[in-house]
Amino acid sequence: AQSVTQLDSHVSVSEGTPVLLRCNYSSSYSPSLFWYVQHPNKGLQLLLKYTSAATLVKGINGFEAEFKKSETSFHLTKPSAHMSDAAEYFCVHGGSQGNLIFGKGTKLSVKP
Amino acid sequence: NAGVTQTPKFRVLKTGQSMTLLCAQDMNHEYMYWYRQDPGMGLRLIHYSVGEGTTAKGEVPDGYNVSRLKKQNFLLGLESAAPSQTSVYFCASRRRSPYEQYFGPGTRLTVT
Repeated sequence: AQSVTQLDSHVSVSEGTPVLLRCNYSSSYSPSLFWYVQHPNKGLQLLLKYTSAATLVKGINGFEAEFKKSETSFHLTKPSAHMSDAAEYFCVHGGSQGNLIFGKGTKLSVKP
Repeated sequence: NAGVTQTPKFRVLKTGQSMTLLCAQDMNHEYMYWYRQDPGMGLRLIHYSVGEGTTAKGEVPDGYNVSRLKKQNFLLGLESAAPSQTSVYFCASRRRSPYEQYFGPGTRLTVT
């Protein structure tokens, strides 16, 4: 069965420093993987998606993620955090029924 | 395009009352989904539909029913609300391919 594990429930960084949000996946086939972001009291927005075309995926707002099959990881990074990046981030696996399987989320705090 | 819309945005119910949440999409998507979001749990799939007139159970279907009489609408019903159904409910839709789902803004439901 497919699953995702987000390794940190909360990450805190200072503005201007790099962001790393970690995600490991479990899948018996070549996965479709996504990162979604949810700002407080808002809906979900797609940041980026991996669908096997390229292992380094660039998304919106300067985020990117690298698919590493050998490590079963799909970590999300950004070189320099901005205050507006404070939100909850979800690593998501495409399920066999066309649904999405969500990780439990990582809350990103950005300190001035 | 309005995308995916949800009605209502907020609702407070008493235990035992019933209600219907409406999801509408104007993108001609085949697939539609209902999720619930609870703190620390990510999003969990309640029911989904792969086309007009079809529905299927997801991960947490108990206490909910759904209908997809029209392609653009997906209704989620609570026949007898319980406090455990206090949650934020998200609707999503997508084309047959790719997996990317588009989310509505959510409905915050409180059952007292």
